[in-house]
Amino acid sequence: AQSVAQPEDQVNVAEGNPLTVKCTYSVSGNPYLFWYVQYPNRGLQFLLKYITGDNLVKGSYGFEAEFNKSQTSFHLKKPSALVSDSALYFCAVRDGGKTSYDKVIFGPGTSLSVIP
Amino acid sequence: AAGVIQSPRHLIKEKRETATLKCYPIPRHDTVYWYQQGPGQDPQFLISFYEKMQSDKGSIPDRFSAQQFSDYHSELNMSSLELGDSALYFCASSSGLRTDTQYFGPGTRLTVL
Repeated sequence: AQSVAQPEDQVNVAEGNPLTVKCTYSVSGNPYLFWYVQYPNRGLQFLLKYITGDNLVKGSYGFEAEFNKSQTSFHLKKPSALVSDSALYFCAVRDGGKTSYDKVIFGPGTSLSVIP
Repeated sequence: AAGVIQSPRHLIKEKRETATLKCYPIPRHDTVYWYQQGPGQDPQFLISFYEKMQSDKGSIPDRFSAQQFSDYHSELNMSSLELGDSALYFCASSSGLRTDTQYFGPGTRLTVL
């Protein structure tokens, strides 16, 4: 079965400092990995995904994520945090070995606070 | 670019009433997914449709049903509403390709009183 873990409920970082939001996953087949961001009372916005190819994936708003197969991780990173990055971040996984219209499984979410 | 449209955005119902949530996918997307997000929770998959046929089923109560129409929009019908059904309901759409991203709508916030 697929599963996603985000070990930190809350991450605090000072504005201008680098940020990392951690994610580990478990799937039986090839992992398709996604990061979404959710602002209060808003929908989920897609940030980036890893399907295949380069382990470092670049996405929207200066975010990037590094796929590490041996550690089954897909940590989200940004070199310099902005106050406007404060939001709830969800890591999600889809088993690439299954049907094309299979669901994604979300992690529990990590609340990011960027302190001015 | 066009996004996923959900209506209504907010809905207040009494216990035991029924509710219908609508989702209009991104143009040319043939796959629709429904998720439920309770307060402080991650989104939980309910059901999905591909080319108007149910493709996958998750933790959807028997009181709920859904369908996808010929124009690819989808409706989630909820009957005998309970207090615990209060949540944010998201619809997402994708092209159905294995590697495609699911794009989410803004959600419908359902409050059951």
